[in-house]
Amino acid sequence: DIQLTQSPSFLSASLGDRVTITCRASQGLNRYLAWYQQKPGKAPNLLIYAASTLQSGVPSRFSGSGSGTEFTLTISSLQPEDFATYYCQRVDSYPLTFGGGTKLDIK
Amino acid sequence: QITLKESGPALVKPTQTLTLTCSFSGFSLSTSEVGVGWVRQPPGKALEWLAVIYWNDDKRYSPSLRSRLTITKDTSNSQVVLTMTNMDPVDTATYYCAHRHAAAPGPGALDYWGQGILVTVSS
Repeated sequence: DIQLTQSPSFLSASLGDRVTITCRASQGLNRYLAWYQQKPGKAPNLLIYAASTLQSGVPSRFSGSGSGTEFTLTISSLQPEDFATYYCQRVDSYPLTFGGGTKLDIK
Repeated sequence: QITLKESGPALVKPTQTLTLTCSFSGFSLSTSEVGVGWVRQPPGKALEWLAVIYWNDDKRYSPSLRSRLTITKDTSNSQVVLTMTNMDPVDTATYYCAHRHAAAPGPGALDYWGQGILVTVSS
């Protein structure tokens, strides 16, 4: 099965910072990757699909890029509500594996 | 407006079978391309994809749990049921059901999620 490795696992940043989270796949996914945000005690929220397509209602400070085996999620200017855990997910074929997550907290 | 909600027992004993129901509204599982999936999350750990069922009754499972999982749909009652046999304490997790994003390419992006249900496995 394809494995997804997110880096870093933990990230401390300040309000207004630009941050980038990476998701690496053990085999090529073309552009079949999704990103989610999850806050404590809440269900995940879809941010990005097809590697770079912003889900409706998601602020434009979020962006995704990449293809094949390396993907990135970028937040251009951190807002207080962005401190959360982020997950990537392969959406090309089964099993629809998630990455291990990146916890973003306030520095 | 799409909504989903999970229901089932909060506590099961080891070796028992867990049955979870996902009740949804705002879409129909008889409509082409529609799917409902299940994802779980042990306390403090990452998300784990479990299974998905589509409008045409195509079903897919996590390979590591395939022998223990069954997913079915009741289209007329707008429900999807997930059963997991031989429950173990390591299966303690919050279980989520979610709607497959119909406009996204590929089988998997999930755009609407239930609130989740915490299932504890303990004697």
